[in-house]
Amino acid sequence: AQKITQTQPGMFVQEKEAVTLDCTYDTSDPSYGLFWYKQPSSGEMIFLIYQGSYDQQNATEGRYSLNFQKARKSANLVISASQLGDSAMYFCAMSPSGGSYIPTFGRGTSLIVHP
Amino acid sequence: ETGVTQTPRHLVMGMTNKKSLKCEQHLGHNAMYWYKQSAKKPLELMFVYSLEERVENNSVPSRFSPECPNSSHLFLHLHTLQPEDSALYLCASSHGGQGASNEKLFFGSGTQLSVL
Repeated sequence: AQKITQTQPGMFVQEKEAVTLDCTYDTSDPSYGLFWYKQPSSGEMIFLIYQGSYDQQNATEGRYSLNFQKARKSANLVISASQLGDSAMYFCAMSPSGGSYIPTFGRGTSLIVHP
Repeated sequence: ETGVTQTPRHLVMGMTNKKSLKCEQHLGHNAMYWYKQSAKKPLELMFVYSLEERVENNSVPSRFSPECPNSSHLFLHLHTLQPEDSALYLCASSHGGQGASNEKLFFGSGTQLSVL
């Protein structure tokens, strides 16, 4: 069984500052993928970034980077230079490889960016 | 057109009504999903279809009935719902469900359902 834990129900950050959203996971699968999704108030979940368990380098996508620490089973999302439009819910998710690839989601973190 | 379209955006129904939620994807994907998102709960997977066959049914009550007539369309038929079924229902699609762990999901905007 897989489990995703997001311990921060809410986070606040000043515009233009960087913020880290925490995610830890638990799995017995040797190969898996880690994802972050953003859900603005409109409701649609938007894919942000992906990290494979065997990837040697941390994933980056524009202002988003994933701080992957495999031994600690953590996959924190770092948003640099926060913008007001970054205010949203953020969900961490994990998919095993093999037959059951369907992702498990965390409870999410609400991020508010202050001007 | 957006990738995944859900209708209606909002739905209010009584406990004795029958209604359907619709999802359509224009991405050429082979897998489609229904998720339930309630306040203060993790995202709950309800059903998964891959190549129009149901591959996952997560112990969902029978008052929810999915239908996938083709790889582009997914329905969720609702009947005799309970107030605790009020939630945001999200549809998603992905490429093909080949067992790859990098299978990212593309979501619709959801249907906000209220059961009175």
